[in-house]
Amino acid sequence: AQTVTQSQPEMSVQEAETVTLSCTYDTSENNYYLFWYKQPPSRQMILVIRQEAYKQQNATENRFSVNFQKAAKSFSLKISDSQLGDTAMYFCAFHLGTGANSKLTFGKGITLSVRP
Amino acid sequence: KAGVTQTPRYLIKTRGQQVTLSCSPISGHRSVSWYQQTPGQGLQFLFEYFSETQRNKGNFPGRFSGRQFSNSRSEMNVSTLELGDSALYLCASSLYGGGRDEQYFGPGTRLTVT
Repeated sequence: AQTVTQSQPEMSVQEAETVTLSCTYDTSENNYYLFWYKQPPSRQMILVIRQEAYKQQNATENRFSVNFQKAAKSFSLKISDSQLGDTAMYFCAFHLGTGANSKLTFGKGITLSVRP
Repeated sequence: KAGVTQTPRYLIKTRGQQVTLSCSPISGHRSVSWYQQTPGQGLQFLFEYFSETQRNKGNFPGRFSGRQFSNSRSEMNVSTLELGDSALYLCASSLYGGGRDEQYFGPGTRLTVT
């Protein structure tokens, strides 16, 4: 079974600064995907960034980037130039690559507050 | 393209009743997954439907069931409601399921059981 651990329940960052959210996971599989999802107070879950396990290059999406350490099973999210709109709950998630086991396993989430 | 829609958005039910929630996926998406979100347990996978067949199921009692129609719309049903079923129920759709496809989430249905 796959597990996803987010050990920090809450974090706070000053607007325009950089923050890193941690995530570790456990799996015996080789073909999988990792995600960071954002859930703002309005509750609509939005995909922030995705990483394919077989790609060594870390994924980036504008101000969002990941540090993917496959051997350590670590997948952290870095948010640069934090904005007030980044205030949300962030979930790290794991997904196996095959359709026959299509489910997202989520971590408990971390509440990020961006201070003006 | 319209996003994932869920109806109703809010629901209040009494213990022992049953409830049906509906999810309309993005046009062309064939996979629909359901998740339960609670403050204590976080986000937990309920089940996934693909082409009208349940392809994967989470660890929930048989009171939780679902189905998918030929137009990919999906419903989930909870019978004999318990207080612990109070939660935000999210559905997500994707083209084929699997990690290669992005899952798009609906706004959720907030179920309160009294």
